[in-house]
Amino acid sequence: DVVMTQSPLSLPVTLGQPASISCRSSQSLVYSDGNTYLSWFHQRPGQSPRRLIYKLSNRDSGVPDRFSGSGSGTDFTLKISSVEAEDVGVYYCMQGSHWPYTFGQGTKLEIK
Amino acid sequence: EVQVVESGGGVVQPGGSLRLSCATSGFTFSDYNMHWVRQAPGKGLEGVALISRDDSGAAYADSVKGRFTISRDNSRNSLYLQMNSLRTEDSALYYCAKDKIGSIDYWGQGTRVTVSS
Repeated sequence: DVVMTQSPLSLPVTLGQPASISCRSSQSLVYSDGNTYLSWFHQRPGQSPRRLIYKLSNRDSGVPDRFSGSGSGTDFTLKISSVEAEDVGVYYCMQGSHWPYTFGQGTKLEIK
Repeated sequence: EVQVVESGGGVVQPGGSLRLSCATSGFTFSDYNMHWVRQAPGKGLEGVALISRDDSGAAYADSVKGRFTISRDNSRNSLYLQMNSLRTEDSALYYCAKDKIGSIDYWGQGTRVTVSS
C-alpha cells in the first residue's frame, strides 16, 4: 500500500499568519490518465472529515480561497494564506491513485 | 441531498463478529465506488476497504485483510462490512464514505465499534 507521510504533526500558528503542511507519498500519485488524485481533508473534534481540496489543487465548493493545494509526483503541500480561528483542527492528505486509498497521519493545527 | 447513514456498531468480545450497514440516498448508488474508513479514539483516519461500483473488485487495508469483507446491494442502495475475528485494535468509529473519481466527497457520521472482554 502507498504510505503517506505528513509533516509537521503539530502546527501552532498565530492568527493572520500563513501555514503550510507537507505530504509525501511512497510512490508517484500520477495516475495513468495524467491526473494526480491527492485530496486534503479538515476534521474538527466530534465531526466527520470535510474535503477541502481534490485532484491536487481543486477547491471544493464553499472552501475559502485562502486554502490552496499544490505539488507533483510524490511531494504535496496544503497552504493557508492567512489562518483564521475556524481553521483549527486536524488536516489529512489522502491518495486515491492506488487501491486501497491511504491517508497521512494528520497534522493538528492550533492557534498560538 | 446526499445522505450516508451507518448502523450496526456495538460492543463485541475479541474473536467475535459484527456486520455494519450503510444506507444511502440522494445519489445514484450504483454509479460510485464506496468506502469504509475508521478512526480509533484519538487517532487518525485509516482506509479499511473499498468496493467498485459494480461489485467487480474490492481492496482492503493489510490490517483487516482476511478478516473483513466489504459488500454492496445496489438494489437497496446499501453498503456492508462483515467483520470477523475482531481484535481490540479494531475498536474505532467506522465511517461509510462515497467515492468520486479518486477521492471521497461525502462521509457519514460513523458507527462506533468497541471490541472488549
